[in-house]
Amino acid sequence: GENVEQHPSTLSVQEGDSAVIKCTYSDSASNYFPWYKQELGKGPQLIIDIRSNVGEKKDQRIAVTLNKTAKHFSLHITETQPEDSAVYFCAATPTYKYIFGTGTRLKVLA
Amino acid sequence: GAGVSQSPSNKVTEKGKDVELRCDPISGHTALYWYRQSLGQGLEFLIYFQGNSAPDKSGLPSDRFSAERTGGSVSTLTIQRTQQEDSAVYLCASSSRGKQETQYFGPGTRLLVL
Repeated sequence: GENVEQHPSTLSVQEGDSAVIKCTYSDSASNYFPWYKQELGKGPQLIIDIRSNVGEKKDQRIAVTLNKTAKHFSLHITETQPEDSAVYFCAATPTYKYIFGTGTRLKVLA
Repeated sequence: GAGVSQSPSNKVTEKGKDVELRCDPISGHTALYWYRQSLGQGLEFLIYFQGNSAPDKSGLPSDRFSAERTGGSVSTLTIQRTQQEDSAVYLCASSSRGKQETQYFGPGTRLLVL
């Protein structure tokens, strides 16, 4: 079945540095790839997404890249701030079900 | 507009009791999902509703778990004879159509079974 691997599981960066989280998926039927941010005690919130007809999408300090051939997609956060500290989940969507990655706990050190 | 809402936000119950968790999806969204998230873990799919189609119940962990969606809108997740291992955050999400569309999550219900 579909599987999504997410790395790293934890990531600590200094404020102002960049953070990169990577995911790989197995089912080539996936063509929509959302990223969610989950703060403590809250539900996941969509922060950016990408469809398979584009290779990169950017929204201010956040960008996502997609390599369909290699079945890789990545989240890039530039100029990190303390409020970026959270757990981030990627997902692939071969059907109506999301296949979530296992999450990355990002800590931005002030 | 209003997002996905869930109630209660927190629920403490005793082992063996039944609990009902409620989800109000975004108005007009035909697809509704329930997930379970244990402490510090990822999201475990439980059940999927789409319009009037038969739900996909493949993620329900046991027959103590059931869910309904009335009138294509509000959904209730019921856990009978709760066990301590049922303690988790139960998340609901909705999307406009389901397949490969954005899911919007509610804040979750934190269930603690003593």
